[in-house]
Amino acid sequence: DTAVSQTPKYLVTQMGNDKSIKCEQNLGHDTMYWYKQDSKKFLKIMFSYNNKELIINETVPNRFSPKSPDKAHLNLHINSLELGDSAVYFCASSHGGANYGYTFGSGTRLTVV
Amino acid sequence: GENVEQHPSTLSVQEGDSAVIKCTYSDSASNYFPWYKQELGKGPQLIIDIRSNVGEKKDQRIAVTLNKTAKHFSLHITETQPEDSAVYFCAALYSSASKIIFGSGTRLSIRP
Repeated sequence: DTAVSQTPKYLVTQMGNDKSIKCEQNLGHDTMYWYKQDSKKFLKIMFSYNNKELIINETVPNRFSPKSPDKAHLNLHINSLELGDSAVYFCASSHGGANYGYTFGSGTRLTVV
Repeated sequence: GENVEQHPSTLSVQEGDSAVIKCTYSDSASNYFPWYKQELGKGPQLIIDIRSNVGEKKDQRIAVTLNKTAKHFSLHITETQPEDSAVYFCAALYSSASKIIFGSGTRLSIRP
């Protein structure tokens, strides 16, 4: 199946831990994104990579670090997790920038306890 | 600034009736306006989009309209069905930043 795949789907962890979320797309897209969706469903962009190059880096704590080993993968590493990091994180991809819309993954629900 | 406002936040309509969701954007340079549907436990899915060179676009029961002068755009769903129940997001492309900004979402419920 052609898709944007995220793992894990659910992640429950304690404050202070470090965790990673992985994302892969097999759509041949050249741009990938991380969005955060809070409890009120608001979607906010965090990062964007185009062909492994960081092009968008919103006001996000330094504890969040994206890594793109190739244009089909974009991972998100979070250090020293805090309660406020609890949210659903969505990976998305697009072709030719954002001009043709995104394809989203199914999300990773992160709960920090 | 980068802002997309969406109304209403919740909408309940009788099955078979129409639903309308309205959005406004702030960047006059925006030229691409996608709409996404998010079902429970899933990621947002692109359902229709419109570019600034057209005023209206239809796809079966869904239509979008765009008024560039007023910076308004709307989603119209006709003959609503139970499977239309979801959260709908409007969005606008901010070309200067190559990113899509989302509205705050509308939770649409279809009453049987």
